[in-house]
Amino acid sequence: EVQLVESGGGLVQPGGSLKLSCSASGFPFSGAALHWVRQTSGKGLEWLGRIRTKTNNYATVYTASVKGRFTISRDDSKNMAYLQMDSLKAEDTAVYYCTLTAADHWGQGTQVTVSS
Amino acid sequence: DVVMTQFPLSLSVTLGQPASISCKSSQSPVHGDGDTYLTWFHQRPGQSPRRLIHKVSNRDSGVPDRFSGSGAGTDFTLQISRVEAEDAGLYYCMQGTYWPPTFGQGTKVEI
Repeated sequence: EVQLVESGGGLVQPGGSLKLSCSASGFPFSGAALHWVRQTSGKGLEWLGRIRTKTNNYATVYTASVKGRFTISRDDSKNMAYLQMDSLKAEDTAVYYCTLTAADHWGQGTQVTVSS
Repeated sequence: DVVMTQFPLSLSVTLGQPASISCKSSQSPVHGDGDTYLTWFHQRPGQSPRRLIHKVSNRDSGVPDRFSGSGAGTDFTLQISRVEAEDAGLYYCMQGTYWPPTFGQGTKVEI
């Protein structure tokens, strides 16, 4: 059974940093691209970015609103993906999910709150 | 970015009655590979989105056959033939053809 479990969320001050983790199991992790999506009450669902496989040089791409501030990485030896978030703003407050390319499996999400 | 517009944004349905949600894309989500990456999700309060329909009309495993997807070009529809209590929640359409994938605003279905 495919499982994705996000962790690392919490309360952080504006301008601060946070690193989210996504632990994966139940599928050949090294052969799958991993994506991050967030959900806010105001803007709904927003696709943030993805990281491809080693075969595809771990290529990353980001949506404009987080490019330059967020970094996606992965550790295939641990079946983990990460979302490093820097220069956080109040509008980054959201539930953050990891998912696969087909969006057929999602984690339970982790809440990030950016507030002073 | 491709804009996905859903309507209605809110829908009140009686048990056993049909329901229909429309989704309009600002660009046709037909991919160069010939597939149309139009997906429907259902989300219950406090839960993560669950994929219901992919590639316009393909129902996911375990999804009741009362759910169906249709459409072409820029106009797509999710239909529920006979609404059940468990169908309450938010429904989203999403295009996955262009980067970044984009979602509709969501339609809240109340039973």
